[in-house]
Amino acid sequence: DTGVSQNPRHKITKRGQNVTFRCDPISEHNRLYWYRQTLGQGPEFLTYFQNEAQLEKSRLLSDRFSAERPKGSFSTLEIQRTEQGDSAMYLCASSFSVAGPSGNTIYFGEGSWLTVV
Amino acid sequence: DAKTTQPNSMESNEEEPVHLPCNHSTISGTDYIHWYRQLPSQGPEYVIHGLTSNVNNRMASLAIAEDRKSSTLILHRATLRDAAVYYCIQGTSYGKLTFGQGTILTVHP
Repeated sequence: DTGVSQNPRHKITKRGQNVTFRCDPISEHNRLYWYRQTLGQGPEFLTYFQNEAQLEKSRLLSDRFSAERPKGSFSTLEIQRTEQGDSAMYLCASSFSVAGPSGNTIYFGEGSWLTVV
Repeated sequence: DAKTTQPNSMESNEEEPVHLPCNHSTISGTDYIHWYRQLPSQGPEYVIHGLTSNVNNRMASLAIAEDRKSSTLILHRATLRDAAVYYCIQGTSYGKLTFGQGTILTVHP
């Protein structure tokens, strides 16, 4: 079990540039989640995928944000025209779930830090 | 989204038990209680979860009140490595976790 892998771990970009983060979930996990966390706050849900289908998106996910999970494996989170307010840690998580109870264990990656200057 | 209430911070001494409380008065019958912890600059780490009965694993124990409106995470012997932010999370929808502010646990040597 290699865990949830995120790349890059750190990214510094200039305002207005586009950035893309990649997440490789634990093998055979069918659900994948993206969260954002700013200093001193708990992680905030952004979106989640069931296999390749994006099933829920938070209001926090503006039009500049797009997430994909082609073929239900790895996922990418792209932020276009970055703003200083986008500076945060972006967390990816995955779980193996079937429809039903909410007791599934969700495993998080180490996060990707974004600094917009 | 469902909210839980936790103390902002707690302190403990090394080798002593720690009881971290959480209130989840709006919990429904199918909502699980999840606990995660987070060290600085790391992603959240799963600790334990349960539905109705008390749960034990190698990391901790979870005691759930009979009316399920509160729960307590028990670390049996705190170590310095247990110092972290502990999040109590009520239920999930499709596996989504809604984090609150959590409890900052400080462990003194």
